[in-house]
Amino acid sequence: DVKVTQSSRYLVKRTGEKVFLECVQDMDHENMFWYRQDPGLGLRLIYFSYDVKMKEKGDIPEGYSVSREKKERFSLILESASTNQTSMYLCASSSIIGTGATYEQYFGPGTRLTVT
Amino acid sequence: QKEVEQNSGPLSVPEGAIASLNCTYSDRGSQSFFWYRQYSGKSPELIMFIYSNGDKEDGRFTAQLNKASQYVSLLIRDSQPSDSATYLCAVKSGTASKLTFGTGTRLQVTL
Repeated sequence: DVKVTQSSRYLVKRTGEKVFLECVQDMDHENMFWYRQDPGLGLRLIYFSYDVKMKEKGDIPEGYSVSREKKERFSLILESASTNQTSMYLCASSSIIGTGATYEQYFGPGTRLTVT
Repeated sequence: QKEVEQNSGPLSVPEGAIASLNCTYSDRGSQSFFWYRQYSGKSPELIMFIYSNGDKEDGRFTAQLNKASQYVSLLIRDSQPSDSATYLCAVKSGTASKLTFGTGTRLQVTL
């Protein structure tokens, strides 16, 4: 079974703090993703990475950065946390190997971040 | 215009009935389609994927794809209270590995 883990389930930070969210997958997947999920807005892609040290902006990258130094680990960084970044953050991974028609993503348990 | 659209619900069905969840997408070149189930407070889990026109069955679940109409659906037969969750439709388009998610349909199975 694919296992995606995230460093924290719940996190409370103050406005202006630098926040690190860590994600680790154990299936040697090439692709990793960071989403945030808010009521009524669904899952929105922040950044994704298709290889070590490679990254691409998603739909809402502003205020975030990412780091992928090792294949299994993908970090999301909030440079200066703001209250509008209070959300559920979900990490996912997927493989490019297979029939080519399948790129199913496997999700971690999520981190509920509150910025006060 | 949203790229992947779902009715937010809630869709309420009695136990034992068939639940029908629908999703439309805007990119005619979309290649793969996924259904995820998300329980409240939990992360999404993959139920099924489909990439060819027609039906694909897995137990009580059937995914249906109609590329001409840009429409994908999920049928849940013999609905159970444990099926009560939000169902997310996701679509893969283009060469990138990313998926575009709909906002989900909340399903309530009543006793």
